[in-house]
Amino acid sequence: EVQLVESGGGLVQPGGSLRLSCAASGFTFSSYWMHWVRQAPGKGLVWVSRINSDGSSTSYADSVKGRFTISRDNAKNSLYLQMDSLRAEDTAVYYCAAGNYCDYWGQGTLVAVSS
Amino acid sequence: QSVLTQPPSASGTPGQRVTISCSGTSSNIGTYAVTWYQHLPGAAPKLLIYTNNERPSGVPDRFSGSKSGTSGYLAISGLQSEDEADYYCAAWDNSLSGWVFGGGTKLTVL
Repeated sequence: EVQLVESGGGLVQPGGSLRLSCAASGFTFSSYWMHWVRQAPGKGLVWVSRINSDGSSTSYADSVKGRFTISRDNAKNSLYLQMDSLRAEDTAVYYCAAGNYCDYWGQGTLVAVSS
Repeated sequence: QSVLTQPPSASGTPGQRVTISCSGTSSNIGTYAVTWYQHLPGAAPKLLIYTNNERPSGVPDRFSGSKSGTSGYLAISGLQSEDEADYYCAAWDNSLSGWVFGGGTKLTVL
């Protein structure tokens, strides 16, 4: 059974940093592209970033470019999102998703940016 | 403001057929395939349709997708109460070099 479990969310002050993790199991993690997608309270889904299967290629939404960094450790079946210079508008549930089409999703982890 | 445009709401009665539209541009849907997701409150989003009209295993054939020009469509036939959810379309956008989502459509089963 495919499982994606996000962790690392929490309350952080504006300008602060957080590192999200996503633990994957039940599939060959090293063969899958991975994504981060977020959903602000009461709003829709917004794509944040993606990384290819070996970690050599990444893409970011303009809203997070230069502040967020996606990475992966295929030996640990884990995906990461380093979030720096956080803003109030980054407040959202962050989901990790696996596959070219975001075939599989985790339950999400909440990030709240507030003073 | 989402890059892809969906109606904010749709509704139907049990057994009915409902269609949800997703309007884009030449830089996204006009060039790339449309993907659809179902999102129930408190649950993980679920892939419903990929490559315009393909269903992952386990998705009932009541769900179908299509694309015409710069618009995609999700049709749900034989509407059931458990279909009440938010539905999102998505596509790659070559101008933004990223995935773009629609704003979501809240489907109500009356």
